[in-house]
Amino acid sequence: DSGVTQTPKHLITATGQRVTLRCSPRSGDLSVYWYQQSLDQGLQFLIQYYNGEERAKGNILERFSAQQFPDLHSELNLSSLELGDSALYFCASSVVAGEIRSTDTQYFGPGTRLTVL
Amino acid sequence: AQKVTQAQTEISVVEKEDVTLDCVYETRDTTYYLFWYKQPPSGELVFLIRRNSFDEQNEISGRYSWNFQKSTSSFNFTITASQVVDSAVYFCALIDFGNEKLTFGTGTRLTIIP
Repeated sequence: DSGVTQTPKHLITATGQRVTLRCSPRSGDLSVYWYQQSLDQGLQFLIQYYNGEERAKGNILERFSAQQFPDLHSELNLSSLELGDSALYFCASSVVAGEIRSTDTQYFGPGTRLTVL
Repeated sequence: AQKVTQAQTEISVVEKEDVTLDCVYETRDTTYYLFWYKQPPSGELVFLIRRNSFDEQNEISGRYSWNFQKSTSSFNFTITASQVVDSAVYFCALIDFGNEKLTFGTGTRLTIIP
C-alpha cells in the first residue's frame, strides 16, 4: 500500500458526460501528479500540483482540468467525455519540499479505471 | 527530449529461470533519475527502485538486481530465480533534474510459467 488513495476505483459513464476523480496524497506529501494510462498512448503525464498551485502541465486536453485543495487532496475533472478517454487514471504524490524543483520518488495510487460507453 | 525504450514487449520464462528486462534511455541532461515500477495484474503501480545519474553502482535487493551503465544509457533489471508472483508489467522511467514529470517506457509484460 503506497499510502495514496484514489476514488472511485471504477467509473462507467456515457459519451458527453463529466466525471470527477479524487486523489488523497500520502501524509506529508505536498505534490500531486496525474497520469493517464491507455492502450495506445501508454503512461502519460497530465498535470502536477504543488501545495495548491499548478506546477507543470503535460499532454492534458482542454476538456480536462484539475485542482488541489487546501487539505492537499486533488481532483481531476474530465468533461465532454469521448470513447478515447477510456483509460486508467493514476494519481501519484511526492514530498517535494520547498520551492526548489525536486525529483523525489513518486508513489502511485491504485488508479481509477474510466470506461466511456 | 527525454525518451525511454523498452524493446521487449513480452517475455515468458519458466519459473526459477533468471530473466533480464532491458531499458535504454535518452536525455540531454547530466543529472537525471531512473526508476523501475511494477504493475501487477491488479493494476496498481509499485515503486521498485530509484537511481541517480551519478551513482553507477549496481544494486541488489533479494532476487532483484539492477545494472546501470551510463556508457550505454541502459538501466537493466534482472530477476533471479523467478517466481509466479513476479508476473507483471514492468516500467522503466526517467526524470531529468528540475523536471518533475516521469517519462515512462512502454513496459515489458513478464509472464512466469509455473
